[in-house]
Amino acid sequence: GENVEQHPSTLSVQEGDSAVIKCTYSDSASNYFPWYKQELGKRPQLIIDIRSNVGEKKDQRIAVTLNKTAKHFSLHITETQPEDSAVYFCAARYNTDKLIFGTGTRLQVFP
Amino acid sequence: DTAVSQTPKYLVTQMGNDKSIKCEQNLGHDTMYWYKQDSKKFLKIMFSYNNKELIINETVPNRFSPKSPDKAHLNLHINSLELGDSAVYFCAIGGLDGYTFGSGTRLTVV
Repeated sequence: GENVEQHPSTLSVQEGDSAVIKCTYSDSASNYFPWYKQELGKRPQLIIDIRSNVGEKKDQRIAVTLNKTAKHFSLHITETQPEDSAVYFCAARYNTDKLIFGTGTRLQVFP
Repeated sequence: DTAVSQTPKYLVTQMGNDKSIKCEQNLGHDTMYWYKQDSKKFLKIMFSYNNKELIINETVPNRFSPKSPDKAHLNLHINSLELGDSAVYFCAIGGLDGYTFGSGTRLTVV
């Protein structure tokens, strides 16, 4: 079925440390994998995405990796800052037009 | 100028009432979506419309009826509201790239 699993559900790190969030998808035909950040009381916002024709993409402190064979993709945040604290969602595109979201990871960065 | 605007931002209503949430986009995207985010923060797709035509209906109760009067609007009408309908409802637009979400409507059914 259409499923995206996301781990961990909560993640606490010290400021300056790295944070890694992992997702697994079920449909090998999925070809687009965005990541969203949702701050408290606000809308989810796209922070980075990756397509199935690349294995890694980086944007400053944020990077995403994709392993198509294992159907895994991960978000890596380096040098975390308190303002990185939020709920992060991975997603996978199914049937060319539908995004299925993971269950979310609440990241807390302690000063 | 907000790309995707939803109204109202907050909606408190009694069980059994009928209510509507409106969504408007100004980016000219063909496809619009409604997502429901429950108290555990799970984001679940409800509907998608492409150029005023229903594309996806994710086994949502028929008390929920989306209506798209034109390509820029996708409204959500809910009949006979139940306590379990309390959630944040997000409208979104998108295509081959990621979605842009509206600011959400927090619906509380009492």
